[in-house]
Amino acid sequence: AQSVTQLGSHVSVSEGALVLLRCNYSSSVPPYLFWYVQYPNQGLQLLLKYTSAATLVKGINGFEAEFKKSETSFHLTKPSAHMSDAAEYFCAVSGNSGNTPLVFGKGTRLSVIA
Amino acid sequence: ETGVTQSPTHLIKTRGQQVTLRCSSQSGHNTVSWYQQALGQGPQFIFQYYREEENGRGNFPPRFSGLQFPNYSSELNVNALELDDSALYLCASSLDRGGSYEQYFGPGTRLTVT
Repeated sequence: AQSVTQLGSHVSVSEGALVLLRCNYSSSVPPYLFWYVQYPNQGLQLLLKYTSAATLVKGINGFEAEFKKSETSFHLTKPSAHMSDAAEYFCAVSGNSGNTPLVFGKGTRLSVIA
Repeated sequence: ETGVTQSPTHLIKTRGQQVTLRCSSQSGHNTVSWYQQALGQGPQFIFQYYREEENGRGNFPPRFSGLQFPNYSSELNVNALELDDSALYLCASSLDRGGSYEQYFGPGTRLTVT
């Protein structure tokens, strides 16, 4: 079984400040890990994914995440927040076999203050 | 390249009615997954179709059913609607089944059951 815990349902940062969104996972098989972003009234857009290659993954819009097996974590970071980063962020896990679906966390809403 | 499209955008139904939601996959994708996203929650996996066959199902009752057509478009049918079925329904297509393949999400259908 797989599960995802996102710490903090709402994170607020100042424009230009570091963004850190936390994600811990549980998986009985080697995981694939994902971060998605959802803007209001839109579907999900993939920011980045970890599929057992490099543990530091770079994504779009300046985001990156580091897979830490010992901590079962996959936290999302961005050095400098921009107003356009305000959105809902979801961490998700899936297994590496043919029919394991994405299991999502409950999401973290990021607010960016000018 | 056309992305994933869903119809209708919004839908209001009465408890006990039936509803059909539609999804057109991204060109060349043979796998489609459906997710339910309740307000303030992360998406939950309903089921996945791979080459017109159901390829996995989440914890949803049988009144949630689906189809995938030869052109890989898909339908989600929900019978005997309940108030708790009110949610955003997301369709996602991927090039193939398996966790390493990126799922491309549509904008969703907002279903309200009164």
